[in-house]
Amino acid sequence: DIQMTQSPSSLSASVGDRVTITCRASQTISSNLCWYQQKPGKAPKLLIQAASRLLSGVPSRFSGSGSGAVFTLTINSLHPEDSATYFCQQSFSLPALTFGGGTKVEIK
Amino acid sequence: EVQLVQSGAVVKRPGESLKISCKASGYTFTTHWIGWVRQMPGEGLEWMGMAFPIDSDTRNNPSFAGQAVISVDKFSSTVYLQWDSLKASDTAIYYCARHGGESGYDLDYWGQGTLVTVSS
Repeated sequence: DIQMTQSPSSLSASVGDRVTITCRASQTISSNLCWYQQKPGKAPKLLIQAASRLLSGVPSRFSGSGSGAVFTLTINSLHPEDSATYFCQQSFSLPALTFGGGTKVEIK
Repeated sequence: EVQLVQSGAVVKRPGESLKISCKASGYTFTTHWIGWVRQMPGEGLEWMGMAFPIDSDTRNNPSFAGQAVISVDKFSSTVYLQWDSLKASDTAIYYCARHGGESGYDLDYWGQGTLVTVSS
């Protein structure tokens, strides 16, 4: 299986800060990478597909970049409602779609 | 509007059987794979597998071999997850998710989750 490693596992930042989360794949996955946001008690929500394509309705302060094996999710100007856990997921190949361990973003 | 509506929370004893469901609406059910993701208490997301409604073909995560079984009914637009003999370690929230996007493996719509608690 392709292993996905996220860093950091948690972070605390202030409203207005720029936040960057990194996701590394154990092998190249081209641009087949998704990012999800999960708030407490809720289902995950797809934010970004194909490494950098924002889903309709996702605020433009979110952006994704990368290809191959290293990817980043950036939140420009952190808002209070961005407090959540973020997961990356490789959408490249089976037998198992795999997720990173998650990054919990807290607001100071 | 795409919606995935899951069955409600359940509490079971170890060794009991269980079948949970996820009913899809708002899109043509037979055009997308649909599957399940497990989230154990306080933990991350684990993809369990998926099914294709037209022919009930399944793709399963080998890590879940011998555990739950995924099935699908194209006539009722419903996907199921079934256990023959539950264990305490099956306690988790189970999400159904539609698979889409260019790769076909993006989880673009999710159900609200079903909490399964297995306790004696």
